[in-house]
Amino acid sequence: KAGVTQTPRYLIKTRGQQVTLSCSPISGHRSVSWYQQTPGQGLQFLFEYFSETQRNKGNFPGRFSGRQFSNSRSEMNVSTLELGDSALYLCASRPGPTTVEQYFGPGTRLTVT
Amino acid sequence: AQTVTQSQPEMSVQEAETVTLSCTYDTSESDYYLFWYKQPPSRQMILVIRQEAYKQQNATENRFSVNFQKAAKSFSLKISDSQLGDAAMYFCAYHGIQGAQKLVFGQGTRLTINP
Repeated sequence: KAGVTQTPRYLIKTRGQQVTLSCSPISGHRSVSWYQQTPGQGLQFLFEYFSETQRNKGNFPGRFSGRQFSNSRSEMNVSTLELGDSALYLCASRPGPTTVEQYFGPGTRLTVT
Repeated sequence: AQTVTQSQPEMSVQEAETVTLSCTYDTSESDYYLFWYKQPPSRQMILVIRQEAYKQQNATENRFSVNFQKAAKSFSLKISDSQLGDAAMYFCAYHGIQGAQKLVFGQGTRLTINP
């Protein structure tokens, strides 16, 4: 089975712009979670989607949003980018929300200048 | 809220020797899961081992084993016969059963393997 894929792998944006990151889960996995990784804050949970519905949301401002499509692929969007949004964004998938093991993608490195 | 603490920002070990990484956590739940993830320079987060809180027996996966002390809320990872490929950031993570079912990570321990 193919693993979790994330596109793009690297992204450079300017303050004030918006960005969309994409995640394709492992085939058959219907739950997708997003995490932000920074040197200062570490790994923090952003949100989780299952069956196109947001199940959980972390403590992030409304500029961070996401969605999930009927094929379980997920996108996350960050609007009005700030320098502090520079991070590695990791996507993880699992069969469903009752399965605890999550499988991570390689991440998207976002740099905001 | 649950918290996970890794008190060792960096560790190093000689190749073929044994190293133990520490992790403590705080929770009011009685049932939960604990994980160790490895993140090599490629950044891909890889699951190393998992432990169910209701199981008293410590989990083992080849050269990797844990020492789970539920009362002390401690969950350490022992790597035996360390190999150069074990060099990575190691993250301890908590996953609850009730409430928001998400991974809560520690700050990580950078492990260096000396040849």
